[in-house]
Amino acid sequence: GIQVEQSPPDLILQEGANSTLRCNFSDSVNNLQWFHQNPWGQLINLFYIPSGTKQNGRLSATTVATERYSLLYISSSQTTDSGVYFCAVEGMDSSYKLIFGSGTRLLVRP
Amino acid sequence: EPEVTQTPSHQVTQMGQEVILRCVPISNHLYFYWYRQILGQKVEFLVSFYNNEISEKSEIFDDQFSVERPDGSNFTLKIRSTKLEDSAMYFCASSDRSENSPLHFGNGTRLTVT
Repeated sequence: GIQVEQSPPDLILQEGANSTLRCNFSDSVNNLQWFHQNPWGQLINLFYIPSGTKQNGRLSATTVATERYSLLYISSSQTTDSGVYFCAVEGMDSSYKLIFGSGTRLLVRP
Repeated sequence: EPEVTQTPSHQVTQMGQEVILRCVPISNHLYFYWYRQILGQKVEFLVSFYNNEISEKSEIFDDQFSVERPDGSNFTLKIRSTKLEDSAMYFCASSDRSENSPLHFGNGTRLTVT
């Protein structure tokens, strides 16, 4: 099955700093989503981005499907950005399920 | 914006007991999913459900697990005889599978088996 790797596994930032999280996947995808898991365990959908670039406030994401990676950019980070960021992909085998990466644990310090 | 609703938010049960986790998917969605996340680990696919039958299930989804859509709105996950290692966060998700359609996740049910 499709493999999803995220880097870095852990990241500590000072408030106001920018960061880039990476997601590599092993095969072509129909769907790619980025999630933020907050301290209460809720999965917050950030982007649906199987290809191209999207922006939402301080967050933006780019997926280069032909090179099998996606990037999540966080600018001017805030303490509320802390949590775990997951990338999840659906392979083109039409299995209609998302496979999650192991996540990037982000801590933003005041 | 419509959302996936899960109840209860937290369930504590004794080993060997049966539990039923409940989900109300988004009303026009046709594909339903359960995922599991053991504390500190990644989110794992359990099962997908479409047209009143299981589409796919993972190795985790063994005979002690079952899913059901008992009426037009609810989607349930039953664990027949819980084990300590079933303690996890369980997420329900749904999708309409149209173009540009993401999976929508509920807030999860935290299951603690003692």
